[in-house]
Amino acid sequence: DADVTQTPRNRITKTGKRIMLECSQTKGHDRMYWYRQDPGLGLRLIYYSFDVKDINKGEISDGYSVSRQAQAKFSLSLESAIPNQTALYFCATEAGTGRDQPQHFGDGTRLSIL
Amino acid sequence: DQQVKQNSPSLSVQEGRISILNCDYTNSMFDYFLWYKKYPAEGPTFLISISSIKDKNEDGRFTVFLNKSAKHLSLHIVPSQPGDSAVYFCAASINSGYALNFGKGTSLLVTP
Repeated sequence: DADVTQTPRNRITKTGKRIMLECSQTKGHDRMYWYRQDPGLGLRLIYYSFDVKDINKGEISDGYSVSRQAQAKFSLSLESAIPNQTALYFCATEAGTGRDQPQHFGDGTRLSIL
Repeated sequence: DQQVKQNSPSLSVQEGRISILNCDYTNSMFDYFLWYKKYPAEGPTFLISISSIKDKNEDGRFTVFLNKSAKHLSLHIVPSQPGDSAVYFCAASINSGYALNFGKGTSLLVTP
């Protein structure tokens, strides 16, 4: 079983719909992140959370919201989807203890907005 | 502005030879650097990292070199194997444990 699980893996939807992407982890990590990747670009940070009561905006948070329901779950919502939010979305976790801890990624959600 | 740059979109290397992937950064506050490897339809997988207090870190066939004065790091893979064919992302952060800044990636193809 994967340590970081993203659902759904693929989603096609229409402009204006509300969409939720879910991420759950079994690593016991405190820190969780949402990134998006566009073709030919690196990953860009949308939101991150260092614990259940902590939510922080990343580089490209406009049009997105998140919810940290528990240590293991971090959801990303698009309130009213638009075509330029078509992208590959990745969730990541990090232990947050000590220095130099890498982030661990899920396999991504491919989202297409028509 | 892209703070982490990978200027080579692709690289092709013969099996058994050395692969060298390069990365430049602009923010002198970065103190933790990582390389991730990504196969199609999978998430990025952590490969190797280096702290700014070091100039080299080695793990098996993978070595990362950091040149702080030039704001440059490189990943060496030797010997290269066909299974190393993937997209490699360079990433950097300030004070580790914060958001990663990623480069655009370099697609490595190792040919038999």
